[in-house]
Amino acid sequence: AQKVTQAQTEISVVEKEDVTLDCVYETRDTTYYLFWYKQPPSGELVFLIRRNSFDEQNEISGRYSWNFQKSTSSFNFTITASQVVDSAVYFCALLPYNDMRFGAGTRLTVKP
Amino acid sequence: DSGVTQTPKHLITATGQRVTLRCSPRSGDLSVYWYQQSLDQGLQFLIQYYNGEERAKGNILERFSAQQFPDLHSELNLSSLELGDSALYFCASSFGTVPTDTQYFGPGTRLTVL
Repeated sequence: AQKVTQAQTEISVVEKEDVTLDCVYETRDTTYYLFWYKQPPSGELVFLIRRNSFDEQNEISGRYSWNFQKSTSSFNFTITASQVVDSAVYFCALLPYNDMRFGAGTRLTVKP
Repeated sequence: DSGVTQTPKHLITATGQRVTLRCSPRSGDLSVYWYQQSLDQGLQFLIQYYNGEERAKGNILERFSAQQFPDLHSELNLSSLELGDSALYFCASSFGTVPTDTQYFGPGTRLTVL
C-alpha cells in the first residue's frame, strides 16, 4: 500500500522557535519520490522540495531543512527560527510512480 | 502568482447537475494535473494530461472526466454531482511529462454542491 502519515494535525509555536513536521510513508516500490508542499491561507499549493529514494542527503534551504531516512521511512521537515509567515498547512506527499499520495497535512500556526 | 489560472473561482450547484472547471497552464507547460481537496478525502490526485493525451489516472470517479485541448488548456467535467463532490479542485502544470517535475498550482475552484 502507498500511504503517507502526518501524525501532527496541528502545531502552534511562538515566533523564533524551531519546529519539526513529521512525515512517515509506506511503499513497496524501491524507486519513489517524496515532496513537501505548503498551503498558505490564500489556498494555493506551493512546492517546497522533492527528494528521490536514492538520495538520502539532508537538504537545507535557508531556514528550511529536510531529513530523509529510508531506514525509518521518514521525511521530516524542520523550520528554524519560525516566522509568522510560515503559518500554513504543510503536506508531505509520496510519488511511487504516477499517482501522488498526500498526507492529511499539518497546520502550523506561528504566533508573534 | 504561479501563472496557472483556473475559472471559475467559486461554483455553487445542485445535486445531479453537471459542471465544467477550466484550467490554463503556465506558458510553455505541456502537462496539466487535476487534484481534489475535500474535508473527507484530503488531497487526491485525479488525472494528468500531457500535450493533449491522458498520461496518468489517480482516484478519479467515473462520473468525472477531463480533456486537454490543442491550446493546452484543460477542462474537468463533473457530472451527476453529489454532496460529497463539494471540494476545492486544483489544477497544476509542469513542463515535462513526468509528475516528478515541479508542479505549479493554480488558485483552485471551490465547488459547493447543495
